[in-house]
Amino acid sequence: QKEVEQNSGPLSVPEGAIASLNCTYSDRVSQSFFWYRQYSGKSPELIMSIYSNGDKEDGRFTAQLNKASQYVSLLIRDSQPSDSATYLCAVNTRSNDYKLSFGAGTTVTVRA
Amino acid sequence: GAVVSQHPSRVICKSGTSVKIECRSLDFQATTMFWYRQFPKQSLMLMATSNEGSKATYEQGVEKDKFLINHASLTLSTLTVTSAHPEDSSFYICSARGSPGTNYGYTFGSGTRLTVV
Repeated sequence: QKEVEQNSGPLSVPEGAIASLNCTYSDRVSQSFFWYRQYSGKSPELIMSIYSNGDKEDGRFTAQLNKASQYVSLLIRDSQPSDSATYLCAVNTRSNDYKLSFGAGTTVTVRA
Repeated sequence: GAVVSQHPSRVICKSGTSVKIECRSLDFQATTMFWYRQFPKQSLMLMATSNEGSKATYEQGVEKDKFLINHASLTLSTLTVTSAHPEDSSFYICSARGSPGTNYGYTFGSGTRLTVV
């Protein structure tokens, strides 16, 4: 079982719609959870970090964490063509020397 | 906010030569730096973890004698690809982490596109 799994893409949504990205992780003691956006040919940039159960909102982005279900998601509201990118879910644990474990990524395309 | 500078952004080198990539944390002290490699359409693969002043810890399957990592200060880590071969061509990305308890999570450099010809 992979440490971090993301829903397979690609995901295509019309402009203005909500894009929903899902991620599950295997290590129950994982502590910190991150969503990164990566444009083609560029390095990842942090969108959201979340550490405790519940929702965290930042602009058009909402991260949701459910540690009991070992599940973290990212919602992108009012999707824009500029949101077209690959989204990476990342998880870390203190016991793993704070290394980030990445999912394979979900490619999102927002259709104008 | 935390900024990590990575240089060069692109490099083309001949097979058999060595290439050095620098990663600097500009406005915070990076106690730990991570080096990743990313092949086209694949996710990031962690190569090694370096803590300031100590030897790097390499992931399984990564040759430590080929990928030399130095983390001599709290703001600078370098990755040297020695005796490069075409199969080493990839996108190399560093990431720096601030001290525990700071708000500086994991900040990535802009990456280095290495092409070995």
